[in-house]
Amino acid sequence: GAVVSQHPSWVICKSGTSVKIECRSLDFQATTMFWYRQFPKQSLMLMATSNEGSKATYEQGVEKDKFLINHASLTLSTLTVTSAHPEDSSFYICSARVLAGSETDTQYFGPGTRLTVL
Amino acid sequence: RKEVEQDPGPFNVPEGATVAFNCTYSNSASQSFFWYRQDCRKEPKLLMSVYSSGNEDGRFTAQLNRASQYISLLIRDSKLSDSATYLCVVTGGSYIPTFGRGTSLIVHP
Repeated sequence: GAVVSQHPSWVICKSGTSVKIECRSLDFQATTMFWYRQFPKQSLMLMATSNEGSKATYEQGVEKDKFLINHASLTLSTLTVTSAHPEDSSFYICSARVLAGSETDTQYFGPGTRLTVL
Repeated sequence: RKEVEQDPGPFNVPEGATVAFNCTYSNSASQSFFWYRQDCRKEPKLLMSVYSSGNEDGRFTAQLNRASQYISLLIRDSKLSDSATYLCVVTGGSYIPTFGRGTSLIVHP
């Protein structure tokens, strides 16, 4: 299957700092990438849908000014958590949708980034 | 009613057992259905897509019942390594995926 990478895999930062997470599709082009957040023992919560070359679509309750998403190319999307606070500590996972027509519509997940804000 | 519902379990079964999970969805216009597996503190990995005619992959069988709006996953001859959380995923026309909360499976010796 397709490979999606995320960087960094884990990060610890002080409250008030910003953290950038990268999501890359390594062997395919992804017009659409998704960003999720998962708290312990809970389901994945979709934060936003990122489309290459256009603004991200945020789910209700997700602050677009706090979670900045940039999808500058067909293989890279970034999520920046601005002015992070302890309640932002979570497991952030991206996924990429394989281009329609090349395979059945499937999304492949990155390995996730564990963010801890002190 | 939640869009995608799963019994959270845990399902605690011995090795070799057969176990089945169900997942119900509320949007009758849903188009694509998947089962993912997620190990503790890891990302979800695609286990199998679910097709209208049903499909099988080794010990795993997935079925879709559009009339009743549910999908199922059957695992035969359970292995210790099958212990994980199984996530039901449903997508609609816009391809925005909706995840169930997952069903936890524990296979013991």
